[in-house]
Amino acid sequence: EVQLVESGGGLVQPGGSLRLSCAASGFTFRSYAMSWVRQAPGKGLEWVSGMSSNGVSTYYADSVKGRFTVSRDNSKNTLYLQMNSLTVEDTAVYYCAKDRAIVVVPASPFDHWGQGVLVTVSS
Amino acid sequence: DIQMTQSPSSLSASVGDRVTITCQASQDITAYLNWYQQKPGKAPKLLIYDASNLETGVPSRFSGSGSGTDFTFTISGLQPEDIATYYCQQYDNLPYSFGQGTKLEIK
Repeated sequence: EVQLVESGGGLVQPGGSLRLSCAASGFTFRSYAMSWVRQAPGKGLEWVSGMSSNGVSTYYADSVKGRFTVSRDNSKNTLYLQMNSLTVEDTAVYYCAKDRAIVVVPASPFDHWGQGVLVTVSS
Repeated sequence: DIQMTQSPSSLSASVGDRVTITCQASQDITAYLNWYQQKPGKAPKLLIYDASNLETGVPSRFSGSGSGTDFTFTISGLQPEDIATYYCQQYDNLPYSFGQGTKLEIK
């Protein structure tokens, strides 16, 4: 059974940093591109970042480019999102999501999602 | 960036009704269009991928159609457990983008 478990969320002040983790199991993690998707309270879904299966290529939404860094450790089956210079607009539930198809770069529907982790940016 | 316009934003229907949601892309995305269901407090769930393909395990009352810029999602015979918010998503080009969602309620 595929499982994605996010951790690392919490309350942080504006300008602060946080690192999210997504622990994967039940599939060959190194074969799949992965993404982060967020959802502000009461709002819709926003794709944030993606990473190729081999960890070489990274992709970002304009809203987080230069502040967020996605990475992965295929030996630990874990995806990360380093978030710096956080603003109140970054307050959201952050989901990690797995590509449905075995493609190197993100280019597939998301067939499995984690339960999400809440990041609150507030003074 | 590709903009996705979904309508309606909310919808009230009776059990057994046929429900239709539309999604329009700001440019041609061929069939790189997915539909997700999200229940309150839960992660989204993939229902339809590549515009018209039913994900494994999803009931056949859910269907999708369309190509290019105009897409339709249909529930044929609404069930109480279908109460959720539904999102379309394009993956033709990064950054991926979602529609604003359609909140479905039972009348």
